[in-house]
Amino acid sequence: DGGITQSPKYLFRKEGQNVTLSCEQNLNHDAMYWYRQDPGQGLRLIYYSQIVNDFQKGDIAEGYSVSREKKESFPLTVTSAQKNPTAFYLCASSIDRQGANYGYTFGSGTRLTVV
Amino acid sequence: SQKIEQNSEALNIQEGKTATLTCNYTNYSPAYLQWYRQDPGRGPVFLLLIRENEKEKRKERLKVTFDTTLKQSLFHITASQPADSATYLCALDIGYKLSFGAGTTVTVRA
Repeated sequence: DGGITQSPKYLFRKEGQNVTLSCEQNLNHDAMYWYRQDPGQGLRLIYYSQIVNDFQKGDIAEGYSVSREKKESFPLTVTSAQKNPTAFYLCASSIDRQGANYGYTFGSGTRLTVV
Repeated sequence: SQKIEQNSEALNIQEGKTATLTCNYTNYSPAYLQWYRQDPGRGPVFLLLIRENEKEKRKERLKVTFDTTLKQSLFHITASQPADSATYLCALDIGYKLSFGAGTTVTVRA
């Protein structure tokens, strides 16, 4: 079955540590996205990529970095510069820009907690 | 800046009734609007997309309306079932991204 796989499901980060969240899709989608979800707030866009080897900052990119070396993969690194990283992170993909015809397909998320 | 507001209160309804959720937005004219369902601890699942030139769209027991004059979308779940209990998110195209509302949590009592 086609879909998006995020791993790990739960992740614990110590202060000052960088961590990387994995996102892999086998849908052959060109566009991929990272969102952050906090309680009572809408999803906020961190980074997005419309094509391999290209990505753009979203609304809250500070303290995060990404790469898009393969079409299938869009890993997100949460750096020590991100002061409040505890959140639910969602990766998504779409066959067209902004899901203009078929919407976004989301992964099942990674819950990151600072300990 | 773009602002999206969904029902601020959670919605509790009796099985078989119709749930109506609202999504209001300001400061933009989206080409389309989408609705997603999200279960606890899971990623959102795409349900419906409605374009600016469409007034209404249906999918099984779901109905969405889009009023670009009022800047509002209504999402209806008819003949609701306990399995419909979830959080429902609206999302607007604002050029380079989808912008999401905070969601409305629906609980359907048997």
